[in-house]
Amino acid sequence: QQQVKQSPQSLIVQKGGISIINCAYENTAFDYFPWYQQFPGKGPALLIAIRPDVSEKKEGRFTISFNKSAKQFSLHIMDSQPGDSATYFCAASLMFSGGYNKLIFGAGTRLAVHP
Amino acid sequence: DTAVSQTPKYLVTQMGNDKSIKCEQNLGHDTMYWYKQDSKKFLKIMFSYNNKELIINETVPNRFSPKSPDKAHLNLHINSLELGDSAVYFCASSQVLSYGQETQYFGPGTRLLVL
Repeated sequence: QQQVKQSPQSLIVQKGGISIINCAYENTAFDYFPWYQQFPGKGPALLIAIRPDVSEKKEGRFTISFNKSAKQFSLHIMDSQPGDSATYFCAASLMFSGGYNKLIFGAGTRLAVHP
Repeated sequence: DTAVSQTPKYLVTQMGNDKSIKCEQNLGHDTMYWYKQDSKKFLKIMFSYNNKELIINETVPNRFSPKSPDKAHLNLHINSLELGDSAVYFCASSQVLSYGQETQYFGPGTRLLVL
């Protein structure tokens, strides 16, 4: 119930192509869906996030598509660049008693963009 | 200036030893976290503190003991280290933007290797 399933595990894309990473969840109590980007040897960093009342959010070359009825969301990276090569984590936020939040992360997708 | 810092960056130790990892954030956040990232990159929350109070305690062996002397610091002490404790440990802090929406800021990680 608290899981977030992410696919694919790894992805190879040519420079200029579109990278697509998919996530699915079961718990309808999740109320916020961020994506984090992690470069080798670094900590994850927030990339883009979406609320469940919005179907799409775009920031530059990065777009989240959200399908509430299907309980799925995805990250699209347009015009993928070698500098985008990193591990991407989808996450879902769950509020619990006391008004605090907990992030549940997907398993991660290792993206390699080849020149 | 580093927002979330951790020391040490690398930690190599023998099985059975006790070790500590320190974390400090200068963002003024009230909430801090410890995550464990295993060799497959899976990121799992271990503990969370809000204003020095423990709010999340996942199913973690009691050999792991977090301590928060003030809201800017969250340390992790590990007793009787085991081979399976080898992982990257990330500290994070968060700021709630609005209802359910928060950004977590991660430190650079501490790479623990137990021999």
